[in-house]
Parts: sequence; structure tokens; C-alpha cells
Amino acid sequence: DADVTQTPRNRITKTGKRIMLECSQTKGHDRMYWYRQDPGLGLRLIYYSFDVKDINKGEISDGYSVSRQAQAKFSLSLESAIPNQTALYFCATGATDTQYFGPGTRLTVL
Amino acid sequence: QKEVEQNSGPLSVPEGAIASLNCTYSDRGSQSFFWYRQYSGKSPELIMFIYSNGDKEDGRFTAQLNKASQYVSLLIRDSQPSDSATYLCAVRREGADGLTFGKGTHLIIQP
Repeated sequence: DADVTQTPRNRITKTGKRIMLECSQTKGHDRMYWYRQDPGLGLRLIYYSFDVKDINKGEISDGYSVSRQAQAKFSLSLESAIPNQTALYFCATGATDTQYFGPGTRLTVL
Repeated sequence: QKEVEQNSGPLSVPEGAIASLNCTYSDRGSQSFFWYRQYSGKSPELIMFIYSNGDKEDGRFTAQLNKASQYVSLLIRDSQPSDSATYLCAVRREGADGLTFGKGTHLIIQP
């Protein structure tokens, strides 16, 4: 079984819709992260969390929110999706400096 | 200004040769340096990390760090077609969590 899972793997939605991307991990790591990847822009950090009571904004948090429901679960929400949020989204977990990425969610906002 | 710079490539290397991938970073407070490999449509996977100046070897891979020059490199010896991928350089800045990534270098190993 994969250590880091993301659901859904692919999603097409319309402008203005609310979307939630979910991430679960079995690695037992305290730290969890959300990144987005765009062609030509690379990976950029959206939010990260050290534990269920700790949430931190990353480089590009505007338009996103997160929830850390448990040590193993970290969700990313787009309250009102817009087309420039079309991207590949990765969840990652970490221990000290190493980070392990989930398989990604390809999100398309029409 | 982008904090981590990589040549986007593509970098084409014959099979069996040494592939050399380079990365520069702007923040002198950067403490930890990482190389990830990403196949098309897949997630990044960690190859190596390095903290101290000098070389660090792991199998066919060698990471090199020069903090004075703010330069990190990855050497891949005996390159194989399966090494064809995009290689991402990432740094963790002092006092920060999360990583700052370069845009990646697309490496092609030609049989």
C-alpha cells in the first residue's frame, strides 16, 4: 500500500465551485505539506502543518484553505475555484528534512 | 526573483556517460539541499540530500555542495535510459519549513 495517498486523482470542476482535495499518510510523520505544480513554474508551497493544532501559510496560500483532521490526514480546499488554480497538486509528508510526495491530484477548473 | 535556479534543458547525454546537473540558490541562509527526480506525470522522489560543503556519494549519484558559490550539483555516473526524467533541486532556507524548488532540468539519456 502507498504511504501517502491522495483523493481524487483527477478532478474537473467549474469556476466558483468548492473543491476539497484529501491526503492521508501511513508514515507516521507529523509534518504535512501541500504543493502545486505548474508547467514552467515548478513546485510551490501552499500550506504546511506540524501537527493538528499547527497550520502555516506557504508561498501561495491565497484562495486556499486547509484542515488537519488528524495526524494522518491533511485536506486542501478551494472555496471558490478559478481557472488559474488548474494545476497538479501534491501532498507531502516529512520527518526532519526529508519529504515524501503523494501521487498527485490533477485539477482542472473550467 | 526566483530563489533556486536550474537550466530547464533538455540536457541530452549518451548512455554510459556522466550527466551533470547544476543548481544555484540565492539565499545564503539555506541550510539543506535536495535533489528529486520526477518522471512525467509522476510525483517527485527524493534521490539525495546534502548539508555540508563537499561531495556526497550514493551509488551512481554524487551530490556536490559549494556554499561559498551558492551552488549545488548532481552527477549521475554510467547514465541509463531509465535516468531520463526531470531533476528538481530544492533548498530549505534557515528558519523555514517546506522546500523551495527550482523549475527542474529535463534530462534525456540517449541509448
